[in-house]
Amino acid sequence: RKEVEQDPGPFNVPEGATVAFNCTYSNSASQSFFWYRQDCRKEPKLLMSVYSSGNEDGRFTAQLNRASQYISLLIRDSKLSDSATYLCVVILLTGGGNKLTFGTGTQLKVEL
Amino acid sequence: NAGVTQTPKFQVLKTGQSMTLQCAQDMNHNSMYWYRQDPGMGLRLIYYSASEGTTDKGEVPNGYNVSRLNKREFSLRLESAAPSQTSVYFCASSEDRLSQHFGDGTRLSIL
Repeated sequence: RKEVEQDPGPFNVPEGATVAFNCTYSNSASQSFFWYRQDCRKEPKLLMSVYSSGNEDGRFTAQLNRASQYISLLIRDSKLSDSATYLCVVILLTGGGNKLTFGTGTQLKVEL
Repeated sequence: NAGVTQTPKFQVLKTGQSMTLQCAQDMNHNSMYWYRQDPGMGLRLIYYSASEGTTDKGEVPNGYNVSRLNKREFSLRLESAAPSQTSVYFCASSEDRLSQHFGDGTRLSIL
């Protein structure tokens, strides 16, 4: 089983739709979680952190479910500009240094 | 405010050639990283430097060497390029060793 798994998509949704992605992780000791956004042929950019209590930033909501070992990203009222690949990042904090593991990404296409 | 700057942006090499990818950050971050990104594989860590003067292997270090020249600069060297090293290379820096700031990437093709 991969350390971090994401459905690659693509998710094709109409503008205005609500869409949700999940990301599962295998190491229950993982402690920090993030969502990044990557546009085509561009670098990844931090979108938001993920907390057990949930984290909301405008139309975006991130959630962590430790019991089931997954994180989620919900996008409400999708815009054309939301089209991108969304990467989840899972971090294991160790004495020797943090280990970051990236998912392969979920592609979102928002259409008119 | 440039953030993380990578050079070159594109490069084509022949098998066996060597080259160095340059990375510099102006955010005074302690930690710097080199990743490669391949289709279906996600970002994989090649090497990282937790602080000036230290470097450590990541997930896929074979065929690469790195130098943390100073706090700002972290270079990645391919001594003898192989077609399997065709990829997009990203440099990143971090202050808290959690969230990362990425450069624009270097698209490297090895023939």
